[in-house]
Order: sequence, then structure tokens, then C-alpha cells
Amino acid sequence: NAGVMQNPRHLVRRRGQEARLRCSPMKGHSHVYWYRQLPEEGLKFMVYLQKENIIDESGMPKERFSAEFPKEGPSILRIQQVVRGDSAAYFCASSLSGFGFGNTIYFGEGSWLTVV
Amino acid sequence: SQKIEQNSEALNIQEGKTATLTCNYTNYSPAYLQWYRQDPGRGPVFLLLIRENEKEKRKERLKVTFDTTLKQSLFHITASQPADSATYLCALASGSSNTGKLIFGQGTTLQVKP
Repeated sequence: NAGVMQNPRHLVRRRGQEARLRCSPMKGHSHVYWYRQLPEEGLKFMVYLQKENIIDESGMPKERFSAEFPKEGPSILRIQQVVRGDSAAYFCASSLSGFGFGNTIYFGEGSWLTVV
Repeated sequence: SQKIEQNSEALNIQEGKTATLTCNYTNYSPAYLQWYRQDPGRGPVFLLLIRENEKEKRKERLKVTFDTTLKQSLFHITASQPADSATYLCALASGSSNTGKLIFGQGTTLQVKP
């Protein structure tokens, strides 16, 4: 039973380029979450998606960041025109149903973005 | 603003002893509190969830308490082993069904010496 799969695990981008991070949730899970972990900081919520819908994006930066979870395929976190401050570990998580009911969410191993 | 505090200093204990980690929070009334383990370069792994109306939860060598009056959770690992060495994160959540927002502490690193 495969867990949450993220790729790439490590990504290096030059300032101004675009970064695309992909996440395939656990089998049967239709709720996806993205978190960011900056160096020496805790995990910060970014966005919560269900298939084809953004449920809560209160943690997403207003510019350059977007997320989607299409009907088919993985969830994508897209960062345009990356800056050095975007260097972080980006974690995807998934759950069977809405987290607000106390369901467990399962994290992937993360995508480490380095902006040079 | 909402704040979660975990002891930022590493906790070093001897194998076989009980490790106790603390999580304090302010300006928040969580419906759930969770504890995760994170190893270097890896994603967080869920350990235990405790609800606001529960005082204590156990799972094998792990025990979590939740005091909503003190706004504090304690996480205990009994009979600790070197394999328990990791960073432990506490996280709070509201009961809202339309959010996936967990608020994480910065974590406490536990080192169990053989």
C-alpha cells in the first residue's frame, strides 16, 4: 500500500525560474494538503484541496504560488519566479475524508527546493 | 496571535528512562491535538491524536495527556530506546470541517543514549 508520493525529492532552481512539485495521495484519498517547512521553523499550512476544488488556501502567499488537484493526476504546487526565500521543504499530505473530523493525515517524504 | 511552544533545547536521556516532552499553546482552543515524529530528511509520521474532551491517550510505550485548562500537552515515551531518537512535533487543529490547517510547534529533538 503505497504512501503519499512526492516528486521530485530534491529540486534546484535559479532565481526567477518556476518550480513544480507533484503529489500523489494515498490510494483512495481525495483530500490533499500542502505544508512548507522553512529552515529552523515549524511546518506551516499552505493549502487544502479536494478533487478540482480549493477548500482552504489561507496559508498560501498571495503571489507566485498556486496549487491544483485535477480530476485525474497528481496535485501540483507551482511556484513562479522563485526567490531565495522560497528555499524550503514542501510536504504534501492526504486523508481519506475531511480532517476537521479528526481523521489522520499522512505526510509524504517532502520535496526539498533550493533556489540559487 | 496563536502560538505553540515546544522546548527548543534537545532532550538527552539514557536508554530505558522515560522521556517527557512538553507542548504549550496560547490564544487557541483546539478541538484536537496531535503528536508526530520526524526524522532528518523525512516527512512527519503521525503518532497519536487526543481530543479536547480526553485527558489521556496511550499507544504501546507512548502516552499523551491534554490539559485544556493549563493549555498544555505532555508526551511520554516509556522505556526509551536509541531508535526513539528523533524530533517530535505537536500540532493543534480546530474542529472545522472545511480546513486542513494544523498548527505545528517547532519540535523538540530527543536523543536517547545507549
